[in-house]
Formats: sequence, structure tokens, C-alpha cells
Amino acid sequence: AQSVTQLGSHVSVSEGALVLLRCNYSSSVPPYLFWYVQYPNQGLQLLLKYTTGATLVKGINGFEAEFKKSETSFHLTKPSAHMSDAAEYFCAVSDQGSSNTGKLIFGQGTTLQVKP
Amino acid sequence: GAVVSQHPSWVICKSGTSVKIECRSLDFQATTMFWYRQFPKQSLMLMATSNEGSKATYEQGVEKDKFLINHASLTLSTLTVTSAHPEDSSFYICSARLLATTYEQYFGPGTRLTVT
Repeated sequence: AQSVTQLGSHVSVSEGALVLLRCNYSSSVPPYLFWYVQYPNQGLQLLLKYTTGATLVKGINGFEAEFKKSETSFHLTKPSAHMSDAAEYFCAVSDQGSSNTGKLIFGQGTTLQVKP
Repeated sequence: GAVVSQHPSWVICKSGTSVKIECRSLDFQATTMFWYRQFPKQSLMLMATSNEGSKATYEQGVEKDKFLINHASLTLSTLTVTSAHPEDSSFYICSARLLATTYEQYFGPGTRLTVT
């Protein structure tokens, strides 16, 4: 069974600083991994995804993530934080077991605070 | 592309009444849609997986008679909360799977349900 752990429920950075949100996964099969962002009282927006191929994935709004199989990690980074990046971020892995339900298993989420 | 809408965006109802929430994929056909519930400051909890033309698959602990899901077409799924009670108040989010061969989901903006 797949699972996701997001380290740090709350991350605070200064505007212009590096953003690093941590995600570790557990999967018995090659994983499909996703990062989503959620602004208050809104649905989730896909930031980026890893399925196969290049392990460094670039997404929207300057975010990128690197799939590291040896570390079972898929950390999200952005070189320079912007005030508008303040939101809730969710890492997810797809359910690719024999049932192939297409379900996503979400981490608990990380709240990113950006200080001026 | 890949836009999902929900209606209504918020609803207030009296205890004992039923409420229907619609989820539509606007520019693609979705064979699979998902319904989530989210409590404040928490991650998404999958309630059920909805496949067009067949019965929904409910997650363990979700009352199928209370949360009725219908997926009558490739672009519309509905969630009906029957005999709503204050503890059903929550943020309900739907998502749609773009293709059967991928696992990314596109999310609606959510519906805030308040039961008084």
C-alpha cells in the first residue's frame, strides 16, 4: 500500500528565501507523485507531477520537485518565495496497486507562511 | 483545460433536510470522479470513487445511504447529503480523473456546507 509523509506541518520563510517542503512516500510499485496547492476556501490546484522520465520536474509558479528513489522523497522547492505562495501544500501518491482505483493518497499537508 | 466546477459553492440548510452538490468536468470527459471531505486545517479525506454508469465505491466508514453519489454522465457527478445534521457541516471537494491512463486529478473549487 502507498503512503505519504509530509515533514513539517508548518513552514515559515521570508519573502525571497528558498522554499523547501518535504515529502517522503512509501510505495511497492514505481510511484506517480504529485504536489498540489490549496488556497483558503478553494479546491486544489496541481503544481507538478512525476510519472516517469526526468526526475527533476518543473511546475507552475516557479516550483520544482526532484524524485529521489533511493531516498523515497519528492521534496518541493522554489528558489525565491513570494507572498502569494502562502498556502497549504499537499503531496500525493497514486494508488497503483492491483485494484488500480486511480485514488490519490494525500499527505497531511504543509502550511507555508511567507513573511515580508 | 481540465476545468472542474462545483455547484453550489456554499449552502446553508436546516437539520433533517437533504442537499445536492454537483460536480462537472467542463472541458473533458471524466470516467472517474472522486468526492472528498475536508475538515479545517486537515487533509482531504476520500469519501468515494464514482465511475460513470456504475455504483460508487465508498471508503470504509462512509455511510453510503447518507452520502448518495450518482455519476450519470461523463461530465456530471452529484453528491446528495441526506437528512443532514450539524456534524455533516464541512468542505466538500470533488475531483475528476483526466484519463484512465494517468492518475492526476483535477479538483473543483469545493462546496462549503453548513447545517443549522
